Amino acid sequence: EIVLTQSPATLSLSPGERATLSCRASQSVSSYLAWYQQKPGQAPRLLIYDTSNRATGIPARFSGSGSGTDFTLTISSLEPEDFAVYYCQQRSDWPLTFGGGTKVEI
Amino acid sequence: EEHLLESGGGLVQPGGSLRLSCAASGFTFSTYAMDWVRQAPGEGLEWVSGISGGSTSTYYADSVKGRFTISRDNSKNTLYLQMNSLRAEDTAVYYCAKERGNWNSAFQHWGQGTVVTVSS
Repeated sequence: EIVLTQSPATLSLSPGERATLSCRASQSVSSYLAWYQQKPGQAPRLLIYDTSNRATGIPARFSGSGSGTDFTLTISSLEPEDFAVYYCQQRSDWPLTFGGGTKVEI
Repeated sequence: EEHLLESGGGLVQPGGSLRLSCAASGFTFSTYAMDWVRQAPGEGLEWVSGISGGSTSTYYADSVKGRFTISRDNSKNTLYLQMNSLRAEDTAVYYCAKERGNWNSAFQHWGQGTVVTVSS
């Protein structure tokens, strides 16, 4: 099973600041990595698929990069609605796996 | 507008069974792979099972293999998860998710979830 390790567990930032979230895979997942956002009491929402492709309706302040085992989600300038938990997920091999999440808090 | 509505959750005793359903609308159901993802209370996301658009391929997490069965009825635009031999550790919110394509792609759209509680 491919293990995804997200860091940091919690990121404390202010609106307008830049957020950089990391996801490291235990083995290469090529470019098959996605990022999701989840707010309390809500279902997750797809932000980025296949490393760097923004999903429909996702603002340009969200961007993804990386390859192989190291990936990054960047939020260029945090908006109040961006404070949430973010998960990475790989589809390179079964079982599909998620990282443990990074909470972005004010 | 795409919509996914899960149902069938509830309280069940250990060793019992439940069948979850996910009614889909707003897209051509048969052309998309579908998955179940769960989230235990206060925990992260765990992929449970996936099925291709034509039901030719299915996969399961090791934690549910042999106990859970995923299926779909494309004539009814409905996804199912039959859960047998339930354990306390199966307690979670269960989400159905539509993939971006017919097989093995990101989870593009999610339902609001149905709660399963396994307890005596």
